[in-house]
Amino acid sequence: DGGITQSPKYLFRKEGQNVTLSCEQNLNHDAMYWYRQDPGQGLRLIYYSQIVNDFQKGDIAEGYSVSREKKESFPLTVTSAQKNPTAFYLCASSIRRSITDTQYFGPGTRLTVL
Amino acid sequence: GQNIDQPTEMTATEGAIVQINCTYQTSGFNGLFWYQQHAGEAPTFLSYNVLDGLEEKGRFSSFLSRSKGYSYLLLKELQMKDSASYLCAVREADSSYKLIFGSGTRLLVRP
Repeated sequence: DGGITQSPKYLFRKEGQNVTLSCEQNLNHDAMYWYRQDPGQGLRLIYYSQIVNDFQKGDIAEGYSVSREKKESFPLTVTSAQKNPTAFYLCASSIRRSITDTQYFGPGTRLTVL
Repeated sequence: GQNIDQPTEMTATEGAIVQINCTYQTSGFNGLFWYQQHAGEAPTFLSYNVLDGLEEKGRFSSFLSRSKGYSYLLLKELQMKDSASYLCAVREADSSYKLIFGSGTRLLVRP
């Protein structure tokens, strides 16, 4: 079964702790993305990667870090520098070699910082 | 600046037709996407428009006018399961291929 997996679905952390959210895809997609969604708001881009070992900041990268050591994996670390980390985090991927280049989303991780 | 506007909420009756509008002002344009998102779940791809006109896909159709910066999603024969948020997203024209999302329209389908 091809798809994008994110784990865990729900995550609770204490304030001041770093936390890493996983994102794995077996679609052989080149590009991967991390978004944040807050209640009643659209998706905002945190980081994206178009190729292995390369990534760029999105619109709200402060307080976050990523790595792209493998094509299949794009983990996101929420650091203690992120002022308001409680949100729904969505990972997406796209093939980047098609005209449409549709982004497909994983199931998301809901992070709550206590 | 980048701006995408959608109505916040809409209500419609089962079996009816509803049109969800999206207007955009972006520095570049390389396609417009519509996604459906049920509460607490991931967005799922519905449609893609890059040329002016109507794209039909079953009960869902999407229209684009690039000169007006306007799109709409048309849902026919509404079903209760269509109650969800509908997200409009514009792809930037640069090499990043980033998507800019609107805030979404929450559609409630009533019996």
